[in-house]
Parts: sequence; C-alpha cells; structure tokens
Amino acid sequence: DIVLTQSPATLSLSPGERATLSCRASQSFNNYLAWYQQKPGQAPRLLIYDASRRATGIPARFSGSGSGTDFTLTINSLEPEDFAVYYCQHRGNWPWTFGQGTKVEIK
Amino acid sequence: QVQLVESGGGVVQPGGSLRLSCAASGFTFSTYGMHWVRLTPGKGLQWVAFIRHDADNWYYMDSVTGRFTISRDNSKSMLYLQMNSLRAEDTAIYYCAKDFVPNILTGYYPDYWGQGTLVTVSS
Repeated sequence: DIVLTQSPATLSLSPGERATLSCRASQSFNNYLAWYQQKPGQAPRLLIYDASRRATGIPARFSGSGSGTDFTLTINSLEPEDFAVYYCQHRGNWPWTFGQGTKVEIK
Repeated sequence: QVQLVESGGGVVQPGGSLRLSCAASGFTFSTYGMHWVRLTPGKGLQWVAFIRHDADNWYYMDSVTGRFTISRDNSKSMLYLQMNSLRAEDTAIYYCAKDFVPNILTGYYPDYWGQGTLVTVSS
C-alpha cells in the first residue's frame, strides 16, 4: 500500500500568514493526489485534485503543487475559516489511502 | 443539490455486525462510483471501500477485506456497507461519498460527502 506522510502534524499560524503543508508518498503515482479540509463536526471538503486543480468553489488562496512522491498544499493569507485539519489522499492504485492529517491552528 | 444521508450506526460488541445505509439524491446515482470513508479517533480519515457505478467492481482497504461488503441498489439510489466481525479499531464515523466523475471504470476522488454515522465497537 502507498503510505502518505504529512508534515508537520500541527502548524501554528496567525491569520494573514501563509501555510505550507507537505505530503510525501512512499512510492510514485504521477499526480493522482487530492487535498481535503475538515472542520470539527463537519464532513470533509475537496479542495484540490490531481495535485494542482482547484475544486469548484474553492478560493484562489488555496493551491496545490508537486508530482511523483512530493506534494504541497499552500494557503496564501490564512482566513479565520481556514483553521482546520487538512488531509492528502492518493488514487494511484488500490487501496487508496489518506495521510494522517495536518492541523492548522491559530497561533 | 447533492444529498447523502447515512444511517445504521450504533453501538455493537466486538465480533458483531452492522449494516450501514446511505440514501442519495440530487444526482444520477447510477452513473457515479461511491465510497465509504471513516474518521477514526486516532488515525484521522481512512478510505474504506469503493464500488463502481454499475456495481461491477469494488475495492477495500486491507484491514476490512473479508469482513466488510460494499453494495448498492441503483433502483433505490442506495449505498450499503455490511460490516461483520467488528473490532474495536473499526470505531469511527462512517461517511458515504460520491465520486467526482461519472461513468468511469475506476474511481476518481470523493467530492460530496454525507454527515456520517457513528459506529462504536465496545463490550
């Protein structure tokens, strides 16, 4: 199975700052990677798919990059509603897996 | 709009069984693959299972293979997850989710999710 390792586990930032989240895969799978945001008590929301494509309705401050085994989610100028847990997920081969998540918290 | 409503969760003893259901509306259910994903207390999100739009293929995470069965009834726009031989580590909120692209042979990504149903495995 492909293992996705996210870092850091927790990111403490202030509104207006930039967040850079990493997702590293145990093997390469092209750009078949998505990013999700989850807030407490809510369902996950698809932000980015195929590594760099924004899902419908996702603000431009969210961007994804990377390929192969190293991927990055960048949130430019954090808004108060962006503080949440973020997960990466691959569809390179079965079974699909998620990373363990990065919590972006208010500093 | 897309609506996914899960039901069937509850408290069950280790070794027991549960059947989760997901009622779908707001889209052409029979053309989309569907997923079950769970949120566990210690491990975050885990992808559990996928079934193709025509029910002709399905996939599972390793730890549930042989214990869980995903199925669907396209005539009723319903998705199911039969869970047998439940273990404490299966305790989680279970979400059903719609796939992103219709009529493809393999899954794409889950895009719309329900609000989840809680499964607690405890004696």
